This record gives sequence, structure tokens and C-alpha cells, in this order.
Amino acid sequence: NAGVTQTPKFQVLKTGQSMTLQCAQDMNHNSMYWYRQDPGMGLRLIYYSASEGTTDKGEVPNGYNVSRLNKREFSLRLESAAPSQTSVYFCASSGRTGGHQPQHFGDGTRLSIL
Amino acid sequence: RKEVEQDPGPFNVPEGATVAFNCTYSNSASQSFFWYRQDCRKEPKLLMSVYSSGNEDGRFTAQLNRASQYISLLIRDSKLSDSATYLCVVNGLTGNQFYFGTGTSLTVIP
Repeated sequence: NAGVTQTPKFQVLKTGQSMTLQCAQDMNHNSMYWYRQDPGMGLRLIYYSASEGTTDKGEVPNGYNVSRLNKREFSLRLESAAPSQTSVYFCASSGRTGGHQPQHFGDGTRLSIL
Repeated sequence: RKEVEQDPGPFNVPEGATVAFNCTYSNSASQSFFWYRQDCRKEPKLLMSVYSSGNEDGRFTAQLNRASQYISLLIRDSKLSDSATYLCVVNGLTGNQFYFGTGTSLTVIP
């Protein structure tokens, strides 16, 4: 039972490079989320998708784009990586929109931008 | 003002002790409340949801105080394995967004 799967687990990029973080869930959840976690700060929402075909900005969307490819997959793209985007990125999913359902997280992607 | 605020700790307690964490939230319309546990360099994992009437799961008790806008987590008979960071989570205005506290660090000492 995989739950939420993120790839890659680790990545090092040079400033200006682009990359896509992949996330897939097998729990038939409607909602999916991308967070970043930095030392001394809580998880901050980058983008979320309440259902297939919809995406919305979260607290810190600048420098990122997302695609909800289908119900299972939600990808996060950095078009031109910057050192400030060095962070741990977590993808999560939940069963319902509108709260009331907890989120399930992937293992995280540790991203370093040099 | 932050949406969710927690005392970062650290809390260092001996095995067997009882420890309590509080978390305050700013949005009085919030309806969903959770406690998550996060081990070092791992993903957050759901510890328990918090219900209006309070709820218990083994050694863990969660309470919600809507009037004062805080939630609490009580851990009884602390175990070494309870050492972790505890995150408080509250849903936002739209309901689709969740706000995380910065976490409270707990170390249980033998």
C-alpha cells in the first residue's frame, strides 16, 4: 500500500535550472497539496488542487507552477531554480475538499539549489 | 499574526512524565484540527484529529477550546519513542487550505 509517492527523493540543481517534482497517490483522494518546509518554519503551502482539473495558489506560490495531470498525479515545477528554493518539499493528499479529512504525506524531496 | 502558533520548546521530560502542548489559531471559523508527529527528516504523520468534545487515543488526549481558540495535546506516561516534533494543523478560510504550526520539539529522557 504505497499511499503518496514522491520522486525524486534528493536533487541538487544549479541556479537557473528547471525541474519537475512528481507526486502520485493511490488512495483515490480528491485533494492534493505541495508544501515546502524550511528550518524554524512550519510547512507552507505552495499550491493545492481541490479536485482533478483545478489548482489554486497557496501561501508561497511564486517561482512555482503545478499540474494536476489526473486524479492520481500532481506535479510541481521550478522553471528557473533559485537558492531561496532550497528546501524540503512534501506532497500530500486528502480524501475530501473543505477540510475535515486529514492529509497523508509523501516521504519528501530534499532539494538543494547551488 | 500567524494563522497557527505553537511554543517551539524544546520540552525535555523524563520517561513516565506527563507533558502538554498548546497551539493557538487565529481563524475563528476553522472547523478541522489535527495533531501530527514529525520525526527528524521524515514526513509528518497524523497522530490524531481533534474533536469538539475532546478525544483520547491511548496515552494521548486532544482538546479543543473554541472560545479561546486553542487546541491542546496531552501525553501521559511518556515513552522514549514519543521523542519527535508535534505539529498542530488547522484548516483555513476556504477549508481547502491547512495551516501548520512550526512544531513543538519533545525529547523524552531515560
